[in-house]
Amino acid sequence: AQSVTQPDIHITVSEGASLELRCNYSYGATPYLFWYVQSPGQGLQLLLKYFSGDTLVQGIKGFEAEFKRSQSSFNLRKPSVHWSDAAEYFCAVGGNNQGGKLIFGQGTELSVKP
Amino acid sequence: DTGVSQDPRHKITKRGQNVTFRCDPISEHNRLYWYRQTLGQGPEFLTYFQNEAQLEKSRLLSDRFSAERPKGSFSTLEIQRTEQGDSAMYLCASSPAGPSGYTFGSGTRLTVV
Repeated sequence: AQSVTQPDIHITVSEGASLELRCNYSYGATPYLFWYVQSPGQGLQLLLKYFSGDTLVQGIKGFEAEFKRSQSSFNLRKPSVHWSDAAEYFCAVGGNNQGGKLIFGQGTELSVKP
Repeated sequence: DTGVSQDPRHKITKRGQNVTFRCDPISEHNRLYWYRQTLGQGPEFLTYFQNEAQLEKSRLLSDRFSAERPKGSFSTLEIQRTEQGDSAMYLCASSPAGPSGYTFGSGTRLTVV
């Protein structure tokens, strides 16, 4: 079955600290992987995506993610968190044979302490 | 490029009423998607269009739900005989063909009372 697991429902970090949000996926074909961020009451904004090539991808707002095929993971990282990063983060997987349909994880809520 | 627009932003309706939502995608995007998101969950796929053709519908989309995309431009999602379980955020997204991330709209929040 195709699925995305985000093990951490809620994470709290101090402003300036580093961040890693975990994402594991199950997908039968070559995956396309995405991270989105959602502020309360808003739609989702694309942070970064991986299709092929370099397994470390850079995104907007200083985020990066690393694709590890052997671990079926696509973890999101940021070296220094800002208070404005507080939001809900979603990992998603899709593939070229899916017509662009994405399967989302249930999200990780990030809180930032001053 | 004004992004993906959804209307209305909020809708409160009585159980049993019909509601219709509209989505205007980015004009050069030929794919359009509808997702539903409930509190504390990630978006769940409902349906998608490539141009005017509806290519896939989720089993979540009961026969009370119908979506159209006439002329391959804007899309509408109609829910007939609404139930309290339909209360959710309905998200529209668009993308060009080929591997690409979506651009999401801000969503329509439906509350069925």
